[in-house]
Amino acid sequence: EIVLTQSPATLSLSPGERATLSCRASQSVTSSLVWYQQKPGQAPRLLIYDASNRATGIPARFSGSGSGTDFTLTISSLEPEDFAVYYCQQRSKWPVTFGPGTKVDIK
Amino acid sequence: EVQLLESGGGLVQPGGSLRLSCAASGFTFSWYDMTWVRQAPGRGLEWVSYISGAGGDTYYADSVKGRFTISRDNSKNTLYLQMNSLRAEDTALYYCTKLLDDSGSIFGDWGQGTLVTVSS
Repeated sequence: EIVLTQSPATLSLSPGERATLSCRASQSVTSSLVWYQQKPGQAPRLLIYDASNRATGIPARFSGSGSGTDFTLTISSLEPEDFAVYYCQQRSKWPVTFGPGTKVDIK
Repeated sequence: EVQLLESGGGLVQPGGSLRLSCAASGFTFSWYDMTWVRQAPGRGLEWVSYISGAGGDTYYADSVKGRFTISRDNSKNTLYLQMNSLRAEDTALYYCTKLLDDSGSIFGDWGQGTLVTVSS
């Protein structure tokens, strides 16, 4: 199965700063990479699908890029509600797999 | 508005069984593929099982194959997960998810989850 690695494990930033999260796949997943956000005590929420497409209702400050094995989720200017854990998921091959997550916390 | 409400979780001994349910509303249930995704306490996400809209196609993670069965009743707008031969490592919050359009593997909407604890 395809293994996803996310870095850093924790990102400590202040509101208003730019967040850059990385997801790397053990083999090419073309553009079949998805990002989710999970806040404490809540279910995950779909943010970005197929590397760069924002899901319905997701603010423009969230953007995704990359292809092949290296992907990036960027939050251009952190809002207080953006502090959460972010997971990537590959859907190129079954079984779909998730990365271990990056926690974005308040510095 | 899409709503997914899981139920049926609880404490069960190793080797025991549980049946999870997910009541769906706010969309035409039979049109959408559905899945179960689980999250062990303090851990990441793991896809468990998939079922097509009509119920004819099902897939399982290797970790649950032969022990879990996914099914659906489109007349009741309900998704199920029958879990047998439960192990300690099955302890997790189980989420019901609605897949995005015809994506097959983008988890577009999630329920709040039902907790399964396997312990003696």
